[in-house]
Amino acid sequence: GAGVSQSPSNKVTEKGKDVELRCDPISGHTALYWYRQRLGQGLEFLIYFQGNSAPDKSGLPSDRFSAERTGESVSTLTIQRTQQEDSAVYLCASTGTSGSGFEQFFGPGTRLTVL
Amino acid sequence: SQKIEQNSEALNIQEGKTATLTCNYTNYSPAYLQWYRQDPGRGPVFLLLIRENEKEKRKERLKVTFDTTLKQSLFHITASQPADSATYLCALAFGGYNKLIFGAGTRLAVHP
Repeated sequence: GAGVSQSPSNKVTEKGKDVELRCDPISGHTALYWYRQRLGQGLEFLIYFQGNSAPDKSGLPSDRFSAERTGESVSTLTIQRTQQEDSAVYLCASTGTSGSGFEQFFGPGTRLTVL
Repeated sequence: SQKIEQNSEALNIQEGKTATLTCNYTNYSPAYLQWYRQDPGRGPVFLLLIRENEKEKRKERLKVTFDTTLKQSLFHITASQPADSATYLCALAFGGYNKLIFGAGTRLAVHP
C-alpha cells in the first residue's frame, strides 16, 4: 500500500517568507508526528497528533511554527517568517495498529533551505 | 533532560564481520527502545523494538540487547554486507504514548 508522502520534496525560500509543508499519512493511521533533522544530527520532535485529542506541541521551537491536522488525514506544518536556522529536513511519520503498533512509518521528508 | 548518546564516529567494518552499534542514555529508562535505519535522502525505516522487560530481540541477521542497569542498548548485524551501509538511529519512548527521542545516529560502512 501507499506509504507516508510529503510535499514538496524540496523548498528554497527567502528569509522572512512563510512556508507550508504537507504530510499525507498512511490511510487509517491515527497518530502523526513531525520531526526536524538538521544536517548530521538526529531527529528533533516537533509535534504529535492523536485522533481528535489536543496535539502535543511541546517540541515546537517558537511561535513561528504551527501545525494542523484535520481528523486522521493530511497535516500541514507552517513556518512563518522563516530564518536561516530553520533550514533542515522536516520529516513526518504516522503510526497505526499494524505490526507492534509502535513503529513509526516515515515519509521521505521535505528539505527546506532558507536563503 | 533525557540524553541519548550514539557513537558519532563512523563504524567501518569488513564484509562478513559482525557490526555492533551502541546506544547509551541517561536518567530514566524508557518503556521501550527502537532502532531505525536511515539511508541518505530518505526517512528512517523501523527495524526492531525491544521493551524494558526484554533482554534481547532478534530478527534475521539483527540482534538488539537492552540493559536497563547499564542504560545501554547494543545493536548487532551479523554477517554484514555492503548493503547494510547506512546510518542507524536508536530512539527511546517514554510515557503513555509513542513519543520518541532519537539519538544522532551512527553511520556504518561495510567494505567488500
